[in-house]
Amino acid sequence: SQTIHQWPATLVQPVGSPLSLECTVEGTSNPNLYWYRQAAGRGLQLLFYSVGIGQISSEVPQNLSASRPQDRQFILSSKKLLLSDSGFYLCAWERGGRDYEQYFGPGTRLTVT
Amino acid sequence: GDSVTQMEGPVTLSEEAFLTINCTYTATGYPSLFWYVQYPGEGLQLLLKATKADDKGSNKGFEATYRKETTSFHLEKGSVQVSDSAVYFCALSFYNFNKFYFGSGTKLNVKP
Repeated sequence: SQTIHQWPATLVQPVGSPLSLECTVEGTSNPNLYWYRQAAGRGLQLLFYSVGIGQISSEVPQNLSASRPQDRQFILSSKKLLLSDSGFYLCAWERGGRDYEQYFGPGTRLTVT
Repeated sequence: GDSVTQMEGPVTLSEEAFLTINCTYTATGYPSLFWYVQYPGEGLQLLLKATKADDKGSNKGFEATYRKETTSFHLEKGSVQVSDSAVYFCALSFYNFNKFYFGSGTKLNVKP
């Protein structure tokens, strides 16, 4: 069966510090991968998606970036965090093709102080 | 553009009450429709889906019917439990489109 992992689970970082969040998927190959952000009490905002290694599409211009160095690894980064980057970050994968439900990881709670 | 609109919450019900959470969509073409559930502090879990008009998705006592004529996908449950307290998200996507459009979420509180 497929599983998706995210770490860390929680993170408290000062403004201006760098960020690296990691997401890995097991049990499938060549998944579509997604990063979402959920602000407190709000819906989901799609940040990035990737359909293959090294292929990243950005949905929202901001100080975040994403990379996919391996087939089942998706990384969200920032060089300098802003207060507004606080939120709950969710990674999701999708098999692609006709079976295109998205399956979500447990999330990372980021607080920027 | 494509979008999903959900009723605002929170929705507060007593245990065993009937639940309806409204969801309507705007889309060019024929999307698939989904309901996801998010329990406190967790990621989203797929609850049910429907891929074409008049399809009914169902799971764990929840149901939703894809109504093309009213562009709706309302979530229903006949008798809610305290354990159903969560945030529910309606979403749409298209085959091979690489994007999901999520509603803003509806928080459900069920009181014993």
